This record gives sequence, C-alpha cells and structure tokens, in this order.
Amino acid sequence: GQQLNQSPQSMFIQEGEDVSMNCTSSSIFNTWLWYKQDPGEGPVLLIALYKAGELTSNGRLTAQFGITRKDSFLNISASIPSDVGIYFCAGQSGAGSYQLTFGKGTKLSVIP
Amino acid sequence: EAQVTQNPRYLITVTGKKLTVTCSQNMNHEYMSWYRQDPGLGLRQIYYSMNVEVTDKGDVPEGYKVSRKEKRNFPLILESPSPNQTSLYFCASSLLGGTSGSQYFGPGTRLTVL
Repeated sequence: GQQLNQSPQSMFIQEGEDVSMNCTSSSIFNTWLWYKQDPGEGPVLLIALYKAGELTSNGRLTAQFGITRKDSFLNISASIPSDVGIYFCAGQSGAGSYQLTFGKGTKLSVIP
Repeated sequence: EAQVTQNPRYLITVTGKKLTVTCSQNMNHEYMSWYRQDPGLGLRQIYYSMNVEVTDKGDVPEGYKVSRKEKRNFPLILESPSPNQTSLYFCASSLLGGTSGSQYFGPGTRLTVL
C-alpha cells in the first residue's frame, strides 16, 4: 500500500522556537491533512489542504501542500508548552477513495 | 456538540471472549472508519463504511468484523480476540464528497487481551 515518510520522528525544542516537520510520499495525494494527538485522546484535525501549492494557516500553524502533490510540511511558530503532542500527516489519494494513509507521527516536546 | 463517541474507553478481556466496541457520530456523516494505533506503526485502517450496509476492508481487517445498520453507528466486533489485538482503537467519520478528507476521530478505546 501507499506509505508516508514523516520526519523527524521526535523533536525537543525550547519554548518560543519555531518547529518544522514534513511528510513525503512516493504516490500523489489529492488531499493532505495534519492532525495533533494529545496523550489519551484521539487525533484532532489541525489543517486540511486540498490544492497543490496551497498554503494554509491556523493561528501559529502553517501548512503547505507540495506542488508535486507528493509532500507537505507543517510549521509551528513561537512554540508554547501546550504544543506538546504527536503530530500526524495524512494523505488521501482521491479518485473515489476516501481512505487516509497516515505518517508515523512526529513527537514534539517543548522545554519551558 | 458535534462528536464521535466510543464505548468502552478501556477494556481488559481474555483470549476468545467475544467483544464489541461501539462507535456513534451525530454529524450525519456517510463515511465511518476504524483504526488501530500501535507504537512505531502509527494509525492503520481496519474497516471502513461509505454508507449504511456498505462496508469494506482496510489495511488490517483480519480478526475483526463491522456492521453499518444505521448511519450514525459503526460497531467493531472481535469474535475471538487474541493478544495481538491489544491496541488503541479509534473510530472516525467524515462527509463524502467535497472536503471529505477531514475525518473526525473519537477519543479512543484502549483494549488489552490477556
């Protein structure tokens, strides 16, 4: 099946720093999604991207849909302690398929 | 409040004892799906449903069954659970068409099979 490579696997950053993570795929996706999962909770949708080249922001979060449709990145600016969690990218190939393929996640730790 | 609910949140059982994990959504979503999450493997899809009475296998369907008799409910059934089904399970739902990639997740069910 399709696979997403998400990196980095984990990050330790100082509060106030900016964060960047990305996902790449060998296949084309028509939708890219970014989720955050807090401990003991289900993933929560942060940003959805539907067009190649699209750049979308949600507060301090910015995500882009790569022009080749095979990658996406998520940036978090001025990190705060509550940004701690696991961030997942997910791709949907479209063409009548609604299945999501998930990356393995980036675990973010913020040092106050 | 729009949400996906799952019950139970935690379950410890023994090998071979049939169990059902319920999932319900109040958003009138056509698409519903079950995932399992395991360390180092991320989220893997078990089964999904595009509408009432329409279900299909995901990436890891072995040992699981589902049913979709009503639009809002999508229970996950383990007829004879085994220890390798110990995992964290999530139900998700979304609309079909348009911005259909935006799946909304339930809070999770942590299952331990002894």
